[in-house]
Amino acid sequence: EAQVTQNPRYLITVTGKKLTVTCSQNMNHEYMSWYRQDPGLGLRQIYYSMNVEVTDKGDVPEGYKVSRKEKRNFPLILESPSPNQTSLYFCASSQDTRLAKNIQYFGAGTRLSVL
Amino acid sequence: DQQVKQNSPSLSVQEGRISILNCDYTNSMFDYFLWYKKYPAEGPTFLISISSIKDKNEDGRFTVFLNKSAKHLSLHIVPSQPGDSAVYFCAAGRPGNNNDMRFGAGTRLTVKP
Repeated sequence: EAQVTQNPRYLITVTGKKLTVTCSQNMNHEYMSWYRQDPGLGLRQIYYSMNVEVTDKGDVPEGYKVSRKEKRNFPLILESPSPNQTSLYFCASSQDTRLAKNIQYFGAGTRLSVL
Repeated sequence: DQQVKQNSPSLSVQEGRISILNCDYTNSMFDYFLWYKKYPAEGPTFLISISSIKDKNEDGRFTVFLNKSAKHLSLHIVPSQPGDSAVYFCAAGRPGNNNDMRFGAGTRLTVKP
């Protein structure tokens, strides 16, 4: 089954404690990205990756890091989480973005609370 | 600066009636538009899209209308079913460029039996 898998689904942590949210896709997609969803603001892009070892900042990258060592995996790293990073996070992947249809496939989400 | 706006946070309709969800955008460079549907505890899933060369795209019960001069698009669901109850996100961007994709805040649709 084609899917994007995020782990964990729920996470409560404390300020300053490093954490990693994993994301894996089994569709051989080149493009992967991370979004956060906050009330009234929709989905905002944090980081994206066009291919292995190619990553770049989205609209709200502050406080986050990513890596793309393998095509299927795109972990999101919070080195020193702060309460304003409490949010719902989605990982997404899509085929070659040069194609006309930019349909993204999303993971089920990770709800993060930073106390 | 929210370039894509869904001004109605929620909408409630009766089963069998039409649901109309609206979306406005400000960036005239956008020329490709998508709607995603999201159920609780799941990620958004693609529903329907339209490019700027069209003003209408239909897929079964779902139709998207685009009014470029007004920078406005709408999603029509006819007839509405209880299973359509979900949050609907409007997204706008340019083909071949996911990096500029912008999402609206979403509209929660409730279809009452």
